[in-house]
Amino acid sequence: AQSVTQLDSQVPVFEEAPVELRCNYSSSVSVYLFWYVQYPNQGLQLLLKYLSGSTLVKGINGFEAEFNKSQTSFHLRKPSVHISDTAEYFCAVNSGGSNYKLTFGKGTLLTVNP
Amino acid sequence: EAGVAQSPRYKIIEKRQSVAFWCNPISGHATLYWYQQILGQGPKLLIQFQNNGVVDDSQLPKDRFSAERLKGVDSTLKIQPAKLEDSAVYLCASSGGQARSYEQYFGPGTRLTVT
Repeated sequence: AQSVTQLDSQVPVFEEAPVELRCNYSSSVSVYLFWYVQYPNQGLQLLLKYLSGSTLVKGINGFEAEFNKSQTSFHLRKPSVHISDTAEYFCAVNSGGSNYKLTFGKGTLLTVNP
Repeated sequence: EAGVAQSPRYKIIEKRQSVAFWCNPISGHATLYWYQQILGQGPKLLIQFQNNGVVDDSQLPKDRFSAERLKGVDSTLKIQPAKLEDSAVYLCASSGGQARSYEQYFGPGTRLTVT
């Protein structure tokens, strides 16, 4: 069985500060990892994904994440945040198999203050 | 390319009433998913279709929830009768051919309030 733990339910930061949103996963097989962002009253939008290859993955809006297999982590980072980055962020894992099932974490609310 | 469409966007019903949600996936996407997102939690998969067949419905409360995907395109999710704990956002997602099956594209969701 696969599971995802997002260690922080809320992360408040000031504008232009760096941010890291933490994600740890549990799976007995190779995984594919995703970060999604959800703005208020909207669906989920894919930020970035790790399928294979380089462990440092770059996504949209200046976000990046690093896959660390030994620590089973996939933390999301941005060097300088904007007010518009305020949203809920979800980490998700997909262990492949025949149905590509996604398991989501509970989410981290990032609030960027002026 | 048009995204995943869902309707209605909002619905308020009383407990024990029935409700239906509609989803139209991205054109050509064979796989369609319905998720339930309760406030403060991540989305939970309810049911997954591959074309018009069910791949996974292990977390669908089958005594009150049903879903269909006739003709392998759009889909309907129904709740009958609704309970207070069904208040949530219902998200539809779709994914494409084999090479892109890991990427799921989400619709805007339907926010259901059961009173």
